[in-house]
Amino acid sequence: AQKVTQAQTEISVVEKEDVTLDCVYETRDTTYYLFWYKQPPSGELVFLIRRNSFDEQNEISGRYSWNFQKSTSSFNFTITASQVVDSAVYFCALSEAWGAQKLVFGQGTRLTINP
Amino acid sequence: DVKVTQSSRYLVKRTGEKVFLECVQDMDHENMFWYRQDPGLGLRLIYFSYDVKMKEKGDIPEGYSVSREKKERFSLILESASTNQTSMYLCASSTTGVGTQYFGPGTRLTVL
Repeated sequence: AQKVTQAQTEISVVEKEDVTLDCVYETRDTTYYLFWYKQPPSGELVFLIRRNSFDEQNEISGRYSWNFQKSTSSFNFTITASQVVDSAVYFCALSEAWGAQKLVFGQGTRLTINP
Repeated sequence: DVKVTQSSRYLVKRTGEKVFLECVQDMDHENMFWYRQDPGLGLRLIYFSYDVKMKEKGDIPEGYSVSREKKERFSLILESASTNQTSMYLCASSTTGVGTQYFGPGTRLTVL
């Protein structure tokens, strides 16, 4: 069975600090996808990134970066120079590569950026 | 731009009522999903549909049913609402082969 663990329930940092959100997953599939979503206070989940299991290159998008390591089954998310607008709940998720590609979510990490 | 809409942002119902939550997507996606979100539990899949009139149970289908009569619309039905169904309900859609799910704004349902 697939499983995603986000061990950090809540993180609080001061603005401009760097922060890393951890995500560890379990799957028996050799082909799969990993995702990060952001849920701001408004409630809607916003898609941030999708990674397939064959692509272990790190990705950077502005202040956001993602570190995918198959050897440790981890897909960590780093925000550099955090801002108050980054405050949200962040979810890591895993899907199969075939069929309807259902998502299995982690429990989420609530990130608070203090001014 | 992708768009998933849900019929209500907030809903209050009484125990035993029949409740309909509607979801509409305008992206011609084959797949649609219903999740519920509870503190500390993340999002859990209730039901999903991969085609019109097709549906499959997710991880927590008990107490729920679904209907998909048109490709763009996916309804979640609580046959007889109970207080333990108080939750945030999120709808999503995706296209087969790509996998990225796009979410609606959510419906916060309170059952009294």
